Amino acid sequence: QVQLVQSGAEVKEPGASVKVSCKASGYTFTDYYMHWVRQAPGQGLEWMAWINPNSGDTNYAQKFQGRVTVSRDTSISTAYMDLSRLRSDDTAVYYCVRDLTNSNVGDCWGQGTLVTVSS
Amino acid sequence: DVVMTQSPLSLPVTLGQPASISCRSSQSLVYSDGNTYLNWFQQRPGQSPGRLIYKVSNRDSGVPDRFSGSGSGTDFTLKISRVEAEDVGVYYCMQHTHWPPTFGQGTKLEIK
Repeated sequence: QVQLVQSGAEVKEPGASVKVSCKASGYTFTDYYMHWVRQAPGQGLEWMAWINPNSGDTNYAQKFQGRVTVSRDTSISTAYMDLSRLRSDDTAVYYCVRDLTNSNVGDCWGQGTLVTVSS
Repeated sequence: DVVMTQSPLSLPVTLGQPASISCRSSQSLVYSDGNTYLNWFQQRPGQSPGRLIYKVSNRDSGVPDRFSGSGSGTDFTLKISRVEAEDVGVYYCMQHTHWPPTFGQGTKLEIK
């Protein structure tokens, strides 16, 4: 079955970087875009970026421009989200989502990765 | 960015009774291809979100038919005809007609 498995929780200091991974299985990784969405504690959902795993093309929310980088390794069907210059308000659960904006296929979300930014 | 405004933010409902959630967008969500890209997601406690409804009124596979979506332009509604215990959670609308995709604040449904 289609599955996205994300890396484990992270604790980082302000100013550091974090890299979250998302391993896909059960489908052809390069056939579907991968999006990243985050959810601060007790808050709503916020779209961050997507990557086309086939071409490597990316698109970022303006809010995160210059701080976020999404990438992929097609040989291991894994997408990555790298967020730099972390601040306390970056504390959130980060989700990878297969093809969030494709109405023609069902969505699939990773289990989420909690990133805590604290000194 | 398009602002999505949901109401109410908290929705206590008696089991077996109907529930309705409103979602309004700051701009029309009709795309140039004629489609309206408004989705609804459910997030059960402790779980990742999952899509219920796409393009206003289309239920995803496996979604019970007690869930229905309607609306047009800037005003949309998610209805649950008879609330069951498993429906507890937070419901989000999301538009992807305009870039970037944006979500509503969420509506927390609880059993009264």
